Amino acid sequence: EAQVTQNPRYLITVTGKKLTVTCSQNMNHEYMSWYRQDPGLGLRQIYYSMNVEVTDKGDVPEGYKVSRKEKRNFPLILESPSPNQTSLYFCASSPNGGTNEKLFFGSGTQLSVL
Amino acid sequence: AQSVAQPEDQVNVAEGNPLTVKCTYSVSGNPYLFWYVQYPNRGLQFLLKYITGDNLVKGSYGFEAEFNKSQTSFHLKKPSALVSDSALYFCAVRAANQAGTALIFGKGTTLSVSS
Repeated sequence: EAQVTQNPRYLITVTGKKLTVTCSQNMNHEYMSWYRQDPGLGLRQIYYSMNVEVTDKGDVPEGYKVSRKEKRNFPLILESPSPNQTSLYFCASSPNGGTNEKLFFGSGTQLSVL
Repeated sequence: AQSVAQPEDQVNVAEGNPLTVKCTYSVSGNPYLFWYVQYPNRGLQFLLKYITGDNLVKGSYGFEAEFNKSQTSFHLKKPSALVSDSALYFCAVRAANQAGTALIFGKGTTLSVSS
């Protein structure tokens, strides 16, 4: 089944403790992206990647890192999480990052930073 | 700058009645417009998109949307609502000539269909 898989589904951590949220897609997509969803704000893009080893900042990149060493994986790294990073996170992918392409979303990771 | 407005936080409709979820946008140049739906504890699912051509776009689950360039709107519609349509709906826009840029989402509208 074609899908975007995120792990973990839920994560509770404390301020300053490094964490990684994994994202993997099995559709051979070139483009991958991370969004965060906050009530009343919709979804905002954190980082995106057009291809392996090519990443770029989205609208809210502060406090996050990403890497794209393989086409299928695009982990989101929080080096020193803070409470304002408590949010619902979504990974998404599309075939080539074209402006007319639909995005395929993972099921989300609910992160709570205490 | 690109932006999307969904003026209603919540839309309530009775089952069997028509529904409309409103969306207006602002973008430089031609827009590509999308609607996504999010069910509880699930990721977003694509419903439909407008790229070019016919202003009335048909999508999944009986939904359709009408692109109106003069009013910069892309309202989502369905002739007869189902209780199972209750979910959170997002409108999104991207400028046609900006590959790789973010898909800009609205804040979302909660649709509640009562039986």
